[in-house]
Amino acid sequence: QVQLVESGGGVVQPGRSLRVSCAASGFTFSTYGMHWVRQAPGKGLEWVAVISYDGSNKFYADSVKGRFTISRDKSKNTLYLQMNSLRAEDTAVYYCAKGQAYCGGDCPIENWGQGTLVTVSS
Amino acid sequence: QLVLTQSPSASASLGASVKLTCTLGSGHSGYAIAWHQQQPAKGPRFLMNLNSDGSYNKGDGIPDRFSGSSSGAERFLTISSLQSEDEADYYCQTWGTGSHVVFGGGTKLTVL
Repeated sequence: QVQLVESGGGVVQPGRSLRVSCAASGFTFSTYGMHWVRQAPGKGLEWVAVISYDGSNKFYADSVKGRFTISRDKSKNTLYLQMNSLRAEDTAVYYCAKGQAYCGGDCPIENWGQGTLVTVSS
Repeated sequence: QLVLTQSPSASASLGASVKLTCTLGSGHSGYAIAWHQQQPAKGPRFLMNLNSDGSYNKGDGIPDRFSGSSSGAERFLTISSLQSEDEADYYCQTWGTGSHVVFGGGTKLTVL
């Protein structure tokens, strides 16, 4: 069955960087678009970024554009989110999510990870 | 701009049925959506993809009590024979060129 396991969350100071990872298993990773979605404490879901199945397309929410970078390593079946210039408002649980097969970037989410908490605080 | 609107809250009695609504913004009434459930203190779970014609495809292991339907710009999630574990937040999600992926604000369902 599909498994998505996030890691790398923690406490980081404003302005610093952090990279979170998502280990994928139970499906052919290289054929699915992948998303990052976050949820601030007590708030709703906010889409962050998507990468196409082949890594050729990457799209970002305006709130993170220019600061966050999504990437994938098919040899390791792993999705990444590099977060730079972190702000207090980036504090959230970050979820890795699997999209549809051969998704070029705009596609529904069909599986979720359990999330990793990122806290930006001095 | 792609927008999804949900009522903040809903309630229904144990064993009854409830119908949650997600409304697509102007000019986007033909879009498909997805429904996701988030139980307290848990990560979200995919429920189904729902098309504008009312056809839907559910995720693995989603009970028959969950069904979808559509009317114009409105997309519905119906939960029948409500159980205590159905008390959760329910989010709709859509996707499209430009906006990429959008979530509704979520509906908090209380089972009385």
